[in-house]
Amino acid sequence: SYVLTQPPAVSVAPGQTARISCGGDNIGSKSVHWYQQKPGQAPVLVVYDDTDRPSGIPERFSGSNSGDSATLTISRVEAADEADYYCQVWDNSSDLYVFGTGTKVTVL
Amino acid sequence: EVQLVQSGGGLVQPGGALRLSCAGSGFPFGNYWMHWFRQAPGKGLVWLARIYKDGSVLSYVDSVKGRFTISRDNAKNTVFLQMNSLRVEDTAVYFCAREGGDWVNWFDPWGQGTLVTVSS
Repeated sequence: SYVLTQPPAVSVAPGQTARISCGGDNIGSKSVHWYQQKPGQAPVLVVYDDTDRPSGIPERFSGSNSGDSATLTISRVEAADEADYYCQVWDNSSDLYVFGTGTKVTVL
Repeated sequence: EVQLVQSGGGLVQPGGALRLSCAGSGFPFGNYWMHWFRQAPGKGLVWLARIYKDGSVLSYVDSVKGRFTISRDNAKNTVFLQMNSLRVEDTAVYFCAREGGDWVNWFDPWGQGTLVTVSS
């Protein structure tokens, strides 16, 4: 089955840039979606279709996808951005919705 | 406001059954695929099941196939997950979510989640 690999943790100082990778075999050929999940809460969609942002999501959140890696970039990081982040794709070969292993973003 | 509100869940013994509900509001419920997911304690998100707009197409992940059943009542704007033959490893927070559109494969919004604990 298709596997998405994320770094377990990323630490960043306020005002700096956080980059979260999501690795998968030829992931550039798939559409990647990203979710933010704070403790005890439901996931919230922050980026869809590699680069698009839902309404209400700050422009500080952006995405890219190419080759074997997709990236969620959080610019000008704020304390409120501290959360777990998951990438997600649909694997057409298995018809399964696959999530990455998740990355805990800590704001120093 | 577009939202999903979940109910059900709780403590059940191994081999028992439970039904989860997820009520949608603020959008034409019958126009969207609906999905269920779960998250075991301290673990990541796992997709479980999906149901087409009119309930005519159902799909499941192998680990719940034959034990869990997804259904919907569009007149009540509600999707259900009937869980039978529950196992200790089914302990998790369960979420429902709306697929953003036909075959877009992303999910928004999500329900608030409901904890299911399977233990003797």
